[in-house]
Amino acid sequence: SQTIHQWPATLVQPVGSPLSLECTVEGTSNPNLYWYRQAAGRGLQLLFYSVGIGQISSEVPQNLSASRPQDRQFILSSKKLLLSDSGFYLCAWDRGLSQQYFGPGTRLTVT
Amino acid sequence: AQSVTQLDSHVSVSEGTPVLLRCNYSSSYSPSLFWYVQHPNKGLQLLLKYTSAATLVKGINGFEAEFKKSETSFHLTKPSAHMSDAAEYFCVVMANTGNQFYFGTGTSLTVIP
Repeated sequence: SQTIHQWPATLVQPVGSPLSLECTVEGTSNPNLYWYRQAAGRGLQLLFYSVGIGQISSEVPQNLSASRPQDRQFILSSKKLLLSDSGFYLCAWDRGLSQQYFGPGTRLTVT
Repeated sequence: AQSVTQLDSHVSVSEGTPVLLRCNYSSSYSPSLFWYVQHPNKGLQLLLKYTSAATLVKGINGFEAEFKKSETSFHLTKPSAHMSDAAEYFCVVMANTGNQFYFGTGTSLTVIP
């Protein structure tokens, strides 16, 4: 069966510090991968999606970036965090034309 | 272009009474539609999905939704609310490329004992 992991589960970091969130998927190959952000009291915002290794599409301009160094690994990064980057970050995967499967999420607080 | 509108940001029901969470969509083609549930500080779990088969879709935990093309709606219902149903619910439409999902802003369901 397929599983999706995210770490860390929670993170508190100061403004201006770097960020690295990792997402890995097990039990499937060549998945589509997604990063979403959920700000407090708001819906989900798609940040990035990837249909293959090294292929990243960005949905909104921001100081975040994403990379897919391996087929089932998706990394969300920032060189300098802003207060507005606080939120709940969700990684998801699918095989196209089907529902998405979400990870447990990472709660990021920028102080 | 695709979009989803969840008509209520908060819904409060008494335990044992029916639940109705409303969702309207906009799509230039026959859409695929989903409902997800999110419990506090947890990831999202799929409740049900519509992909152009039966218009009445049954999901997990007693939830169901009806696709009404004439009304461009996909409302989520449950005959009898349980305390464990208290959560955030998201209506989602999928782009025909299969690569992009558009989420509504969510409806927070409170169940009163």
